Amino acid sequence: DIVMTQSPDSLAVSLGERATINCKSSQSVLSSSNNKNYLAWYQQKPGQPPNLLIYWASTRESGVPDRFSGSGSGTDFTLTISSLQAEDVAVYYCQQYYNSAWTFGQGTKVELK
Amino acid sequence: EVQLVESGGGLVQPGQSLRLSCTGFGFTFGDFGMSWVRQAPGKGLERVAIIRSKAYGGTTEYAASVKGRFAISRDDSKSIAYLQMNSLKIEDTAVYYCTRWIHNSGIPYDYWGQGTLVTVSS
Repeated sequence: DIVMTQSPDSLAVSLGERATINCKSSQSVLSSSNNKNYLAWYQQKPGQPPNLLIYWASTRESGVPDRFSGSGSGTDFTLTISSLQAEDVAVYYCQQYYNSAWTFGQGTKVELK
Repeated sequence: EVQLVESGGGLVQPGQSLRLSCTGFGFTFGDFGMSWVRQAPGKGLERVAIIRSKAYGGTTEYAASVKGRFAISRDDSKSIAYLQMNSLKIEDTAVYYCTRWIHNSGIPYDYWGQGTLVTVSS
């Protein structure tokens, strides 16, 4: 299985500041057939199910605020929250869906400083 | 409105069985692959089982941790996916989420249910 490793495990950010979360896969999730990265990001708030934010590494799901952006290719990816809002406090997970055995990162907890 | 509603969770003893159900609303259930993802208390997400749509063979896959004990199935006429869980272990304690995906869309789990709690304890 492809192992997904996120860093850091947690971070504290002030309101309005930038938050950056990294995700590394143990093998490339870039498809040579369509040049797309099969990498998604989810947000999970306490007591709620995960919510899809970004797929194909950088495509925002409908309704997701544009302060959320995804970047990267191959094995290294980043989720950036450009200006943290109080409602962004949550745990964020990356997920690869490159092969049939989809796997998640361990999660990164974002808190307010 | 798309909705996924899980049911069937509860408290069971080790070695017992439980069947979870996931009912879909607001979409053509048979067009989607269905998946169960679990989350142990205070832990991360683990994909437990998937079942592809009939158009993609209706095939199933399982996490190594549950293979041989859990079975996923679907009844498209009722828009329900099931997870039969046998020989339950304490480490199976988790919230079990139902989620869906559409094959070859490039979009993974776009809708999730609220989850159902399974507690395995003596």
